[in-house]
Amino acid sequence: DTAVSQTPKYLVTQMGNDKSIKCEQNLGHDTMYWYKQDSKKFLKIMFSYNNKELIINETVPNRFSPKSPDKAHLNLHINSLELGDSAVYFCASSPGERTDTQYFGPGTRLTVL
Amino acid sequence: RKEVEQDPGPFNVPEGATVAFNCTYSNSASQSFFWYRQDCRKEPKLLMSVYSSGNEDGRFTAQLNRASQYISLLIRDSKLSDSATYLCVVNAWMDSSYKLIFGSGTRLLVRP
Repeated sequence: DTAVSQTPKYLVTQMGNDKSIKCEQNLGHDTMYWYKQDSKKFLKIMFSYNNKELIINETVPNRFSPKSPDKAHLNLHINSLELGDSAVYFCASSPGERTDTQYFGPGTRLTVL
Repeated sequence: RKEVEQDPGPFNVPEGATVAFNCTYSNSASQSFFWYRQDCRKEPKLLMSVYSSGNEDGRFTAQLNRASQYISLLIRDSKLSDSATYLCVVNAWMDSSYKLIFGSGTRLLVRP
């Protein structure tokens, strides 16, 4: 019973391609997040949705577009992939936007060639 | 200046040793504080929250000094399974929302 799941786990693609990463949580949480962890292991928030509404939108290239079809799902679409997009992308969820504890998915390791 | 700063390590200690990690944060509006643990190629997982009065969970003790904006984690009687990266995390109200701000982590290696 995976609480927060992501697909795919690994993604290798060429520069310029468009790709999507999917995230689902079965915890009944209202808030979901996307984080990026770069090669220096620095974990940084990208987006957050609360009940399908965007509440955090950090300064990321507009090639990155999140979509939340319902509160259990938060997908991330990336257009025109660049070498610098190579990183591990983690999805997370929490009961509410003010809730401290976040539960992370296993991560998607994206490699752009 | 990074919002949350940690010594990257690695801290290389024998089993049974006591080891301490420190962390400083720059946002005085930070509301709550945590230590997360991240194993190699895995996701971060909450280890423990950190309270002003200090708190303990088994072999782990966390301390917070709000005046100095300083957080610590003490691990006693280190086990091989404690080898991981320990992330110092603060929850702050920034740009009209609460955000978890992560340090880049301190790596711990416990050797037999």
